[in-house]
Amino acid sequence: EVQLVESGGGLVQPGGSLRLSCAASGFTFSSYAMSWVRQAPGKGLEWVSAISGSGGSTYYADSVKGRFTISRDNSKNTLYLQMNSLRAEDTAVYYCAKSWRISAYMDVWGKGTTVTVSS
Amino acid sequence: EIVMTQSPATLSVSPGERATLSCRASQSVSSNLAWYQQKPGQAPRLLIYGASTRATGIPARFSGSGSGTEFTLTISSLQSEDFAVYYCQQYNNWPPGITFGQGTRLEIK
Repeated sequence: EVQLVESGGGLVQPGGSLRLSCAASGFTFSSYAMSWVRQAPGKGLEWVSAISGSGGSTYYADSVKGRFTISRDNSKNTLYLQMNSLRAEDTAVYYCAKSWRISAYMDVWGKGTTVTVSS
Repeated sequence: EIVMTQSPATLSVSPGERATLSCRASQSVSSNLAWYQQKPGQAPRLLIYGASTRATGIPARFSGSGSGTEFTLTISSLQSEDFAVYYCQQYNNWPPGITFGQGTRLEIK
């Protein structure tokens, strides 16, 4: 069964850092692009970042560029999102999602991990 | 950035009836359009990709149509489990990235 499981969310103060992880199973992880998508409370979906299967290409939404870093460890079948200089507006549920290429629809999603930025 | 606009924001339909949801792109996205369903407290689920291809395991009552800038998701006979929020997403314009519509809430009338 194809599965994505996020972890690492929590409460952090403004200006703080957090690293999210997404453990993948049931498919050849290195063959697929991966994305992070977030959803603020009561709001819609916002694409955050994406990475190619090899990890050689990365892309970011303007709202997080320069603060967030996406990476992956294909030997561990794990995707990461390092989030620095966090702001209140980064408060959201963060989902990881799989796609067959970096600019494509996302066919498998994790259940999400909640990040709350508050003092 | 391509802006995706969904209408209506909320749609009230009775079980067994047809629901028609619309999604408009600010510029052509060809057929690079997906639809997702999201229920409260759950992750989004892929319904349609390529504007009209049902994802694996999606019932035939869900259908997608359109190309360019105008797209439609139709649910032919609403079941109780279909009441949810639906999002469209374009993946034609890269970079800078993927964009989603703001969602349509489908509620029971």
